[in-house]
Amino acid sequence: QQQVKQSPQSLIVQKGGISIINCAYENTAFDYFPWYQQFPGKGPALLIAIRPDVSEKKEGRFTISFNKSAKQFSLHIMDSQPGDSATYFCAASFPGQNFVFGPGTRLSVLP
Amino acid sequence: DAGVIQSPRHEVTEMGQEVTLRCKPISGHNSLFWYRQTMMRGLELLIYFNNNVPIDDSGMPEDRFSAKMPNASFSTLKIQPSEPRDSAVYFCASSFGLALYNEQFFGPGTRLTVL
Repeated sequence: QQQVKQSPQSLIVQKGGISIINCAYENTAFDYFPWYQQFPGKGPALLIAIRPDVSEKKEGRFTISFNKSAKQFSLHIMDSQPGDSATYFCAASFPGQNFVFGPGTRLSVLP
Repeated sequence: DAGVIQSPRHEVTEMGQEVTLRCKPISGHNSLFWYRQTMMRGLELLIYFNNNVPIDDSGMPEDRFSAKMPNASFSTLKIQPSEPRDSAVYFCASSFGLALYNEQFFGPGTRLTVL
């Protein structure tokens, strides 16, 4: 019940396209959902995060969509660029609970 | 700010040897986290400290693993004795405050290979 499922495992998108990564969780106590971006040889870095009191959060080309009833949330990358090529991790937590990370999605944006 | 500093960046050792990984958190941050990343298990939280005190070590896989934070600017993760299945990238992260909502800043990681 503490797991966060993430799909797809890998994703190839053409430059300018939309990248969509999906995550699902079971524990309804989760109340904080960050996305981390990791480039090869680097540590993960916070990209964007959402609380369940809103259904969408947008920061530049990155948008989180949150569906509380379905216990799903997704990351949308608009106008994907080769520089977005990285591994993306969704995560979830609640007060007193450590982050639970999804297994990651390796995104490749072709020029 | 130099960010979170980890050393060494790469470590190759033989099974049975002691391994010590080091971390210097961002100045002013009072929470420190140790993670392990593998292809099979993804990113796992091993232990985290707040104000130099271990808060939760439930992620530490075995007694062979130990972590200390003697002061606010230094932490170690020790594996003794090391085994090939400990091969992974170990990340240290720091944040300000205990709340897990606070952004965690990750170091570059230490790639450990146990032969």
